[in-house]
Amino acid sequence: AQSVTQLDSQVPVFEEAPVELRCNYSSSVSVYLFWYVQYPNQGLQLLLKYLSGSTLVKGINGFEAEFNKSQTSFHLRKPSVHISDTAEYFCAVTRANTNAGKSTFGDGTTLTVKP
Amino acid sequence: DGGITQSPKYLFRKEGQNVTLSCEQNLNHDAMYWYRQDPGQGLRLIYYSQIVNDFQKGDIAEGYSVSREKKESFPLTVTSAQKNPTAFYLCASRTLQRGLWNQPQHFGDGTRLSIL
Repeated sequence: AQSVTQLDSQVPVFEEAPVELRCNYSSSVSVYLFWYVQYPNQGLQLLLKYLSGSTLVKGINGFEAEFNKSQTSFHLRKPSVHISDTAEYFCAVTRANTNAGKSTFGDGTTLTVKP
Repeated sequence: DGGITQSPKYLFRKEGQNVTLSCEQNLNHDAMYWYRQDPGQGLRLIYYSQIVNDFQKGDIAEGYSVSREKKESFPLTVTSAQKNPTAFYLCASRTLQRGLWNQPQHFGDGTRLSIL
């Protein structure tokens, strides 16, 4: 079994400030890790993914995330946010190296960027 | 462009009525999923299917039914047994081809269901 915990349900931040959205996971097997973004009344879009290799992964819209195996974390960061980054963000894990394709999602973090 | 189409975008259900949400994909994906999204609760898996004519219950299947008669289509019926159906419903799909198991799920734009 696997689980995902997003440590902050809401993160308010001012425009052009840095932001970190925290995600911890638990799994007894290797996993792939994903961050998705959801704008109001829309589906989820992939921001970035960690599969293997380099622990720092870069995604769209200037976001990046760092995989930390010892701390079982996959925190999402952006050095300078824009108003348009206001959205809900989901961390997800999928069991690696298998076609059993179910994903487990965190409860989401609402990022609000203020002018 | 390939993608997932959910319809309708908004749906209203009367007491005792069954309603069906449509999900169609042209990505040639093997697996399809239905999620329910409530505020502050993330995504909860209702049903999923990895092959035509086969599907499995997710975490909250009670009050819902699905079918998978074609690879492209995975409709969800919200039955009258689902006493609290008001939510945002998301359909997703994913390839299960060997060598592509690390690919993410693709999502539709959702259907918002409300009670009249």
